[in-house]
Amino acid sequence: GAVVSQHPSWVICKSGTSVKIECRSLDFQATTMFWYRQFPKQSLMLMATSNEGSKATYEQGVEKDKFLINHASLTLSTLTVTSAHPEDSSFYICSARGDKNTGELFFGEGSRLTVL
Amino acid sequence: SQQGEEDPQALSIQEGENATMNCSYKTSINNLQWYRQNSGRGLVHLILIRSNEREKHSGRLRVTLDTSKKSSSLLITASRAADTASYFCARVIGSSYKLIFGSGTRLLVRP
Repeated sequence: GAVVSQHPSWVICKSGTSVKIECRSLDFQATTMFWYRQFPKQSLMLMATSNEGSKATYEQGVEKDKFLINHASLTLSTLTVTSAHPEDSSFYICSARGDKNTGELFFGEGSRLTVL
Repeated sequence: SQQGEEDPQALSIQEGENATMNCSYKTSINNLQWYRQNSGRGLVHLILIRSNEREKHSGRLRVTLDTSKKSSSLLITASRAADTASYFCARVIGSSYKLIFGSGTRLLVRP
């Protein structure tokens, strides 16, 4: 199956700093990528849809100035958590659409962010 | 709320037994998908069932879909300890093919 690489897999940062997470589709081009957030023992909540070459579409309640998404190429999308605070600590997972007709997504391994 | 409902929230069974997880949703769907997530990892796509299909098999997995009741079930037969994971149903919505996940079932298979 298609491979999506996410980096870093874990990061610890101080409150107030910004953290960038990368999501790459390694063997296919992804015009659309999705960013999810997952709290412990909970489901994945869609944060935003990232479209190559255009602005991301954010879900209701997600602060676009807090979570900056850039999709500069067909194989790379980045999520930057700006001025991170402890409540931003979470598991962030990206996915890329592999099959336009079915909507099947391929997921990265996730990035665990801990803000001290 | 984005999420559909899944039940049970948690399921503990003995190795060799079957595990059944259910998923309900509110809006119409094109297809419904099931994913597996090992603790702290990404998701693995298990099976997709289209809205015009009623049942689908893949190895030890059996998925049913009842669009009239807006529900689906995932059956894992002859479970193994390695099946221990969280299982999520997900439905595609909108023209951008956003995938919205259910609340998930945490399955524990005891050896």
